[in-house]
Amino acid sequence: GAGVSQSPRYKVAKRGQDVALRCDPISGHTALYWYRQSLGQGLEFLIYFQGNSAPDKSGLPSDRFFAERPEGSVSTLKIQRTQQEDSAVYLCASRTVNEQFFGPGTRLTVL
Amino acid sequence: GQNIDQPTEMTATEGAIVQINCTYQTSGFNGLFWYQQHAGEAPTFLSYNVLDGLEEKGRFSSFLSRSKGYSYLLLKELQMKDSASYLCAVNRDDKIIFGKGTRLHILP
Repeated sequence: GAGVSQSPRYKVAKRGQDVALRCDPISGHTALYWYRQSLGQGLEFLIYFQGNSAPDKSGLPSDRFFAERPEGSVSTLKIQRTQQEDSAVYLCASRTVNEQFFGPGTRLTVL
Repeated sequence: GQNIDQPTEMTATEGAIVQINCTYQTSGFNGLFWYQQHAGEAPTFLSYNVLDGLEEKGRFSSFLSRSKGYSYLLLKELQMKDSASYLCAVNRDDKIIFGKGTRLHILP
């Protein structure tokens, strides 16, 4: 399997709990993107990485959201003190020059 | 900033042809993606246009006019499995921003 993988696939959190979502991109892809999609809505840009740096963090909704990609491969999106409005599918994608491929997503439900 | 517009919903008949338009306004432009997304699934890559003109891939074709800020996705010989949302996304200096998507309904 050479595609983008994400874990966990489903996460239920109690309000106020911290969560960490993982993305394994396609090997060799230097660009990695995080989006979130609420039910019936479009994709909301969160952040992207080129290697291990994040040129644009403007989409992160609040300072409770943090993402890292320390070695330029696997990335983790962390959400602190989760709120009900954080419930969504969090999608990761990795990219070559002319193609971008998505992982299956992590469905986060905050109770 | 950027603004990406697509029709919210469209309906077409099995076997027919449908064109889904996307217009964009952005301060920088490197290319435009099209994706297909079935309900409950992640988006799947269809095409990426960098230069003006039409690119054909089987039943699907994508067109781009950079001067007009306009693209379309053309689907031929529609099949029931083409019922999905179609997402247009603009690459602005490697930041890829999506439109809200067009939900395509196929009637038998």
